[in-house]
Amino acid sequence: EVQLVESGGGLVKPGGSLRLSCGASGFTFSSYGMSWVRQAPGKGLEWVSTINGNSDYKYYADSVKGRFTISRDNPRNSVYLQMNSLRVEDTAVYYCARGKDVAPTYHHFDYWGQGALVTVSS
Amino acid sequence: QSVLTQPPSVSAAPGQKVTISCSGSTSNIGNNYVSWYQHLPGTAPKLLIYDNDKRPSGIPDRFSGSKSGTSATLGITGLQTGDEADYYCEAWDSSLSAWVFGGGTKVTVL
Repeated sequence: EVQLVESGGGLVKPGGSLRLSCGASGFTFSSYGMSWVRQAPGKGLEWVSTINGNSDYKYYADSVKGRFTISRDNPRNSVYLQMNSLRVEDTAVYYCARGKDVAPTYHHFDYWGQGALVTVSS
Repeated sequence: QSVLTQPPSVSAAPGQKVTISCSGSTSNIGNNYVSWYQHLPGTAPKLLIYDNDKRPSGIPDRFSGSKSGTSATLGITGLQTGDEADYYCEAWDSSLSAWVFGGGTKVTVL
């Protein structure tokens, strides 16, 4: 059974940093791309970042480019999101999601975690 | 404002059918595959449709997807109370080099 479990969420002040982790099980982790998708309070889903299976390719939404960094540790079956220079508008539930390690047009998010809440507030 | 446009809400009685539209452009829906997700806030979103019209294993055939030009449609037949949720379309946008979601459509079973 595919399982994705996020951790590391919490309350942080504007300008601060936070690192989210997502532990995966039930599949060959290195064969899949991994992503972060967020949902701000009362808003819809917003894609944040994606990394391919061997970390060759990383994609970022314009809203987080230069502030967030995605990485993965295949032996540990984990993907991370380092979030720096956090803003109030980054407040959201952050979901970890799995996708095929293929060209972007074929890539969809087939399994998701339960999410981790990140609150940016003074 | 979302790159993909969906109606905010649709509703129908149990057993009836609803359709949810998703409008985009040639840089996303027009030249890339569309996926659809079901989401109850606070829970893990679920993939319903991928590659425009394919259903993952375990998704009932009451859910269907189609695409024409720069628009896509999700259909739900035999509506059940358990189908009350938010539904999102999604596609890769070649111009933005980003995955984009629609704003979401809330389905209400009357």
